[in-house]
Amino acid sequence: GAGVSQSPSNKVTEKGKDVELRCDPISGHTALYWYRQSLGQGLEFLIYFQGNSAPDKSGLPSDRFSAERTGGSVSTLTIQRTQQEDSAVYLCASSSSRVRGDGMGAFFGQGTRLTVV
Amino acid sequence: GNSVTQMEGPVTLSEEAFLTINCTYTATGYPSLFWYVQYPGEGLQLLLKATKADDKGSNKGFEATYRKETTSFHLEKGSVQVSDSAVYFCALSDLSNFGNEKLTFGTGTRLTIIP
Repeated sequence: GAGVSQSPSNKVTEKGKDVELRCDPISGHTALYWYRQSLGQGLEFLIYFQGNSAPDKSGLPSDRFSAERTGGSVSTLTIQRTQQEDSAVYLCASSSSRVRGDGMGAFFGQGTRLTVV
Repeated sequence: GNSVTQMEGPVTLSEEAFLTINCTYTATGYPSLFWYVQYPGEGLQLLLKATKADDKGSNKGFEATYRKETTSFHLEKGSVQVSDSAVYFCALSDLSNFGNEKLTFGTGTRLTIIP
């Protein structure tokens, strides 16, 4: 598509429920990133995909968080047993970088605003 | 590790004023430097970038120069407009990680321009 697409745009869930957030990157972009934007922590890196592999998961805050990517395209971020502190805007970004980064920067989606009540 | 320190906001200026938002960084490798902008109700957009020392990034009248000696990447604009009101984020990525250009962000600076 023309840009990075995320769905849903807003999600309200009850504490303890599982949620899935979806990201459709720009067509042909092999690198995909998830970030979290919250009032207390600012913008934080969560996970990096190159193709379907995730060589850097260092930002995932707990084992309740997981992500996968299929077909080198769509990615899903799953949060199990949601807690109130998971409330944030989850951002997805993609770029064309392959082996060595070219410093071109990433393109971001509009984000999913998650509210855990 | 990598870190970005950004001028605290909020910043309020009159239209046509000169803007500077300070940004300094700490990096172990050879980072690329970026300014991203988030307009009200919109997603993060890349505003400008610089990939090596002394490079100047520019876009929409904004400029920033990669200063390795002072580890800085200050954002400037000579004459701001109301439409520049947004949150500005300084960020860096390390190019040494085999395509992993994860971004380290500053805390963001909210800019409001009054007519």
